[in-house]
Amino acid sequence: KQEVTQIPAALSVPEGENLVLNCSFTDSAIYNLQWFRQDPGKGLTSLLLIQSSQREQTSGRLNASLDKSSGRSTLYIAASQPGDSATYLCAVKVQGGSEKLVFGKGTKLTVNP
Amino acid sequence: DGGITQSPKYLFRKEGQNVTLSCEQNLNHDAMYWYRQDPGQGLRLIYYSQIVNDFQKGDIAEGYSVSREKKESFPLTVTSAQKNPTAFYLCASSYGGRTQYFGPGTRLLVL
Repeated sequence: KQEVTQIPAALSVPEGENLVLNCSFTDSAIYNLQWFRQDPGKGLTSLLLIQSSQREQTSGRLNASLDKSSGRSTLYIAASQPGDSATYLCAVKVQGGSEKLVFGKGTKLTVNP
Repeated sequence: DGGITQSPKYLFRKEGQNVTLSCEQNLNHDAMYWYRQDPGQGLRLIYYSQIVNDFQKGDIAEGYSVSREKKESFPLTVTSAQKNPTAFYLCASSYGGRTQYFGPGTRLLVL
């Protein structure tokens, strides 16, 4: 059974700092991996999607990497801003034709001005 | 505007009562999903549907039911058999295996 773990559960940094969020998964047979952002009491917004054949994806100040063989992904946020404060969720789509996503519990990020 | 809408934003359930959460999308997506989120937890899949008139159980389907009579609609009923229904419910849709788009969520509370 696929399990997704995110470390740390919470992170507090000063504005301007570069930071890395970690995601690990137990079964390397994934179709893709996604990073989402969730603001309090809101739905999820997709940030980056990495296909299993890719190593990384970039969007603005965000860079996500994928190492399928080791079961790890990282989300790098450059020059953090208070507006980046949110919970970041990692999810993997399992192989086999199912549309199921398996989510981690998230990392709650606070960027202090 | 294209997107996913969920209603109501807050819903209160009395003991023994069935309640229905609405999810509508105008993105022309084939697949739709219902997730449950508890505090400090990730999302857990309740039900999903890849085409009209077909749906599959997710990891925590007990105490829930769904229907998919129209492509754009995927309502979720929380039945009285669900003994711990208090949670944040999220609906999502997707097309062709691409990323899932999420609605704003419904918070269900028990009176």
